[in-house]
Amino acid sequence: GESVGLHLPTLSVQEGDNSIINCAYSNSASDYFIWYKQESGKGPQFIIDIRSNMDKRQGQRVTVLLNKTVKHLSLQIAATQPGDSAVYFCAENWAGGTSYGKLTFGQGTILTVHP
Amino acid sequence: DGGITQSPKYLFRKEGQNVTLSCEQNLNHDAMYWYRQDPGQGLRLIYYSQIVNDFQKGDIAEGYSVSREKKESFPLTVTSAQKNPTAFYLCASSIVGAGDGEQFFGPGTRLTVL
Repeated sequence: GESVGLHLPTLSVQEGDNSIINCAYSNSASDYFIWYKQESGKGPQFIIDIRSNMDKRQGQRVTVLLNKTVKHLSLQIAATQPGDSAVYFCAENWAGGTSYGKLTFGQGTILTVHP
Repeated sequence: DGGITQSPKYLFRKEGQNVTLSCEQNLNHDAMYWYRQDPGQGLRLIYYSQIVNDFQKGDIAEGYSVSREKKESFPLTVTSAQKNPTAFYLCASSIVGAGDGEQFFGPGTRLTVL
């Protein structure tokens, strides 16, 4: 079946560095992608999303890049802070021509930021 | 404040017992979802509902049951048929029809089978 996967299960960075978290997806029909942040013992929180008709979207300190040619998604976090330490999940959505789309989640990347 | 609430935060169950996890949302979302998360892993979909009185099995529905009698509520029952129920359970909701796929998550319920 179709799946979303992450290249790196863990990432350690120093405070102030930029972080890049990668995600590969296999469903070429997916038209919407989301990045979530999950802190220990809590539910995932929305970070940023991007539609398949875009290749880049920026938020506050975060940028998502979408490369449909190689089916690759990345999350860039600028000036990483200790509070950014969490598990990051990418998820893909295929509406399939209807208004409903089921999110498929990757396994997650653990980001650790050292002071 | 609008949002999704789950209760209880921690739940302990003896083997052979059924247990029901609560999920309530006041976001006026049509769609609701239940996920299971095991340590160090991603989220797996158990059941989802797009509208009141309708729900569909997800990827791992065996041993679980749901109901959707009200728009704001989507309780999950973990039955004794679920062989390995210890996990972190997450409820989510989303708008249907707006074209967006963003799901809003509750804080989760950690279920431990003794």
